[in-house]
Amino acid sequence: QSALTQPASVSGSPGQSITISCTGTSSDVGSYNLVSWYQQHPGKAPKLMIYEVSKRPSGVSNRFSGSKSGNTASLTISGLQAEDEADYYCCSYAGSSTFPYVFGTGTKVTVL
Amino acid sequence: EVQLVESGGGLVQPGGSLRLSCAASGFTFSSYWMHWVRQAPGKGLVWVSRINSDGSSTSYADSVKGRFTISRDNAKNTLYLQMNSLRAEDTAVYYCAMVTRSESFDYWGQGTLVTVSS
Repeated sequence: QSALTQPASVSGSPGQSITISCTGTSSDVGSYNLVSWYQQHPGKAPKLMIYEVSKRPSGVSNRFSGSKSGNTASLTISGLQAEDEADYYCCSYAGSSTFPYVFGTGTKVTVL
Repeated sequence: EVQLVESGGGLVQPGGSLRLSCAASGFTFSSYWMHWVRQAPGKGLVWVSRINSDGSSTSYADSVKGRFTISRDNAKNTLYLQMNSLRAEDTAVYYCAMVTRSESFDYWGQGTLVTVSS
């Protein structure tokens, strides 16, 4: 099972909006509305930011939003803030009992 | 408050074994599927294994199948990962994680580092 494809890096100035793409296949992203996004600061555990493509867990800022079209999911961060600088990973349910989850390659977000 | 605390990582020689533990608290451990996810240094997240709530069903990534065994003790609220025949490519931070809804990893431990090197 190949990792989902994300851009290696995305940058933006404070207050701007950025979008991170996550491209999979018809066997994972394209088949299930079960894409999640995780934020990871250096040396820290990942934190769930989006689940079921576009839903936010309690406590996650509404500056974070998700969407999906075909085999590609996207995470948009609006009103970029310094604390948003981190690595972001998408993840899709893939349905297989032997490899049920596939993560993305990861994107480093830099706040200029 | 949900807490997941991993332990058991360390330096081990190629071919060696290690058992990781994940102590859970703040929720009804026996009700949830649990997972191990790893992250090699400077690399991305990779799903490793999962176990259902009563321990009767398990799944593994192909890269660890036959070498790693996931298990749980619901009486002790603890998840385990027995790792045998370790290879250099198993070097990673290992996280235990819990899925509570919609196939997303809602809670993560802080991770424990496993280094396989001679």
